[in-house]
Formats: sequence, structure tokens, C-alpha cells
Amino acid sequence: KAGVTQTPRYLIKTRGQQVTLSCSPISGHRSVSWYQQTPGQGLQFLFEYFSETQRNKGNFPGRFSGRQFSNSRSEMNVSTLELGDSALYLCASSATGVINSPLHFGNGTRLTVT
Amino acid sequence: AQKITQTQPGMFVQEKEAVTLDCTYDTSDPSYGLFWYKQPSSGEMIFLIYQGSYDQQNATEGRYSLNFQKARKSANLVISASQLGDSAMYFCAMRDSGYSTLTFGKGTMLLVSP
Repeated sequence: KAGVTQTPRYLIKTRGQQVTLSCSPISGHRSVSWYQQTPGQGLQFLFEYFSETQRNKGNFPGRFSGRQFSNSRSEMNVSTLELGDSALYLCASSATGVINSPLHFGNGTRLTVT
Repeated sequence: AQKITQTQPGMFVQEKEAVTLDCTYDTSDPSYGLFWYKQPSSGEMIFLIYQGSYDQQNATEGRYSLNFQKARKSANLVISASQLGDSAMYFCAMRDSGYSTLTFGKGTMLLVSP
């Protein structure tokens, strides 16, 4: 079974630009979560989608948005990029999102904002 | 609110020795799940082991075991017979019944020396 696939692996953008990251979950998984990882803040939850609906949202500004398609693939968009948005963005999928359902992560997209 | 604390920023261990990585948690929910993940330098988060709050026995997965002490709210990861490939960041995470997201600790960097 193929794992979680994130594209692209690396991105370099300039302040003020916008970026879209893509995530394909494990086949059959309906829950997709996004996390931002930085050395200072660690892993911070962005949002979670389940069956095309945003089920949970972390404490990030409205510049961060996402969506999920009918095939469970998900995209994350960051508009008006800031230097502080430089981070590793991790996507994870799970079958249901219930307590005992682990998240399975992709390799991440490393975003650098200059 | 749920909280995960990993007090060891870094740990050193020699190959073939056992090592314990500490994790304490805080939640008011009686039903919750605890997870450990490994993150090598490549960036991917790898799921290692799961422990449910109502599980009677400590979880084990190969060389990984979880020392679950519910009253003390601790869920320490024990790695037996360390290998060089175990060198990585290790994250403890929790999900309770009120959320479908995982909350992560800050992580512990484990270095295994020959």
C-alpha cells in the first residue's frame, strides 16, 4: 500500500507570494491533517479534513487554508507569505481519526520564504 | 487542554544498550490514546507504538515498549538493544476523545554511538 505522498518536497518562495502544497493520503484514509514544524515551535496543528469537511482547526491566521477533494486528496494554501512561514509542512492521514487511529505522515514539504 | 511534556532535549546511548525516553501528559479526559513517533533526519514521521488509556497491559512492538503509568500520567518509551539507525528525534503525542488531532511534545533527540 502506498504511503502518504506530499508534493513538492522543497519550495522556495518570496515574501508576499502564495503557495499551494499537495497531499495524497493512504488509499482508504478519509482523514487528512496538516502540521507545521519549526525548530522553535515544534509540531503545530494546522487543520484536519474528513470527507471534504474541515473537522478541526488550529490556531493559525486566515492566510492558512486548506481543502479536501472527493478522492481524499488535500491541498494547503498559504497566502501573503511571511518569513516566519518557513517550515517543514507535514501532512498525515488516518483511517478514521478516532482515538486509537494513528496518523501516518508523508515526507513533508520544506518551505523556505526569502 | 491536553499537554505533552518531554523533558529530555537529548539522550546519548551506546549501541546494544537500552534507553528510556520520558513523556508525561496532562488531560482531564478519562479516554485518550498515547503515541510515539520517530523522525529521522529525512523528516518523515514514523509511527512506532500506541497505548490506550484503558489498555491493561503495556504496549510492545518489537524492540519498542511503552512503560505506561496511568496514575503518574507518564508514558515512557523504552528502546531495547539500541541500533545506530535509532538515532533520530522521538516525539510523544496524545489524542483524547474530545479531539481527533494529535498534540505533540517538543521531542527528544536520541544519538546512538558505536
